[in-house]
Amino acid sequence: SQQGEEDPQALSIQEGENATMNCSYKTSINNLQWYRQNSGRGLVHLILIRSNEREKHSGRLRVTLDTSKKSSSLLITASRAADTASYFCATEPHTGTASKLTFGTGTRLQVTL
Amino acid sequence: ETGVTQSPTHLIKTRGQQVTLRCSSQSGHNTVSWYQQALGQGPQFIFQYYREEENGRGNFPPRFSGLQFPNYSSELNVNALELDDSALYLCASKRTYGYTFGSGTRLTVV
Repeated sequence: SQQGEEDPQALSIQEGENATMNCSYKTSINNLQWYRQNSGRGLVHLILIRSNEREKHSGRLRVTLDTSKKSSSLLITASRAADTASYFCATEPHTGTASKLTFGTGTRLQVTL
Repeated sequence: ETGVTQSPTHLIKTRGQQVTLRCSSQSGHNTVSWYQQALGQGPQFIFQYYREEENGRGNFPPRFSGLQFPNYSSELNVNALELDDSALYLCASKRTYGYTFGSGTRLTVV
């Protein structure tokens, strides 16, 4: 089953604008990760934020994590047409014998010229 | 991102048949996981292998099985295929921060 929801389900913006996607999850986590998927192919790891971190940056990406609300957001600044893709958040539980990713439902981002 | 290779890229099978999907991950990546992604959904965890032993399984029936080999390759086998098994199957190997995914195998069951 899916861990939680992402919103919006779809987002359409113009090149140069910022895009914000939100993710909610249900259980306690060790970390939360964001992935990008182009045209239904493989997932590309974007950024990982640990449960004891509140904010992280990587290039044009900014991720926040609020464990009290079990939510995260991904901000893409100055978007480009090449950012058009589906974005998924995924949570990883606290370390055990098996670690697995539990994905959200994804946000489809369309960046137009 | 390179590093995890899956084959074949596309596959069409008939209901009731068996299928084997293959994955080759990076040297030293002892953990490999398989995910099923239905159209319009997020990936769902099937199972994970660590040093050739299954050490975690999602909510999938026993007809989904796997193997991991010493050369860091692995297989996903699905018996008695059903129409609902049509999906993108993704293999992932774990690295220090995050996972590296292959490009997937798109399986269509007719």
